[in-house]
Amino acid sequence: EPEVTQTPSHQVTQMGQEVILRCVPISNHLYFYWYRQILGQKVEFLVSFYNNEISEKSEIFDDQFSVERPDGSNFTLKIRSTKLEDSAMYFCASKGLRLHSYEQYFGPGTRLTVT
Amino acid sequence: GESVGLHLPTLSVQEGDNSIINCAYSNSASDYFIWYKQESGKGPQFIIDIRSNMDKRQGQRVTVLLNKTVKHLSLQIAATQPGDSAVYFCAETLSSGTYKYIFGTGTRLKVLA
Repeated sequence: EPEVTQTPSHQVTQMGQEVILRCVPISNHLYFYWYRQILGQKVEFLVSFYNNEISEKSEIFDDQFSVERPDGSNFTLKIRSTKLEDSAMYFCASKGLRLHSYEQYFGPGTRLTVT
Repeated sequence: GESVGLHLPTLSVQEGDNSIINCAYSNSASDYFIWYKQESGKGPQFIIDIRSNMDKRQGQRVTVLLNKTVKHLSLQIAATQPGDSAVYFCAETLSSGTYKYIFGTGTRLKVLA
């Protein structure tokens, strides 16, 4: 069964450093998402991406964040200058174009620890 | 903004008993609802979904009930098993636009042997 993959599984970085989290969505999917989950809290929407552009972003997704789909298979989330409060699990998800199907498939997540 | 709790509510049930997990959703315009299960260290896994034109949907050992009047969802798990131990989240979305999910506060289900 196809699945969403994410790398790395755990990233430790120092405050102020740039990080890139990588995702490979399911190959025929067209909608892509990043969510984050701070420890012990609920999953929060960050950004959605469709047709090679951001379709919606949350208040969390400020100028320090950016997304890219550089090569038709990878989908990346970049945090330009990490802050302590960026420490969280980051989940990538993708959705296909099947009519009346709204199920998103989630990757296993990347745990980001900012020290 | 949405309120975020630091402590997940926990439901403890005996193995073999039925579990009922509740969720309140926020947007009365939402027309598609999903339950996800999250095991420790893993991403959310789809369990069951329901559209707003339905009140009830059954799967294998799971049933979702939707009450649009009070914006409430519930997930019923029959004959709860140790493998059901996880955090359960509901999510809501619109069947148009970006299809982003808004997740509810999770519930931790503990199955007691």
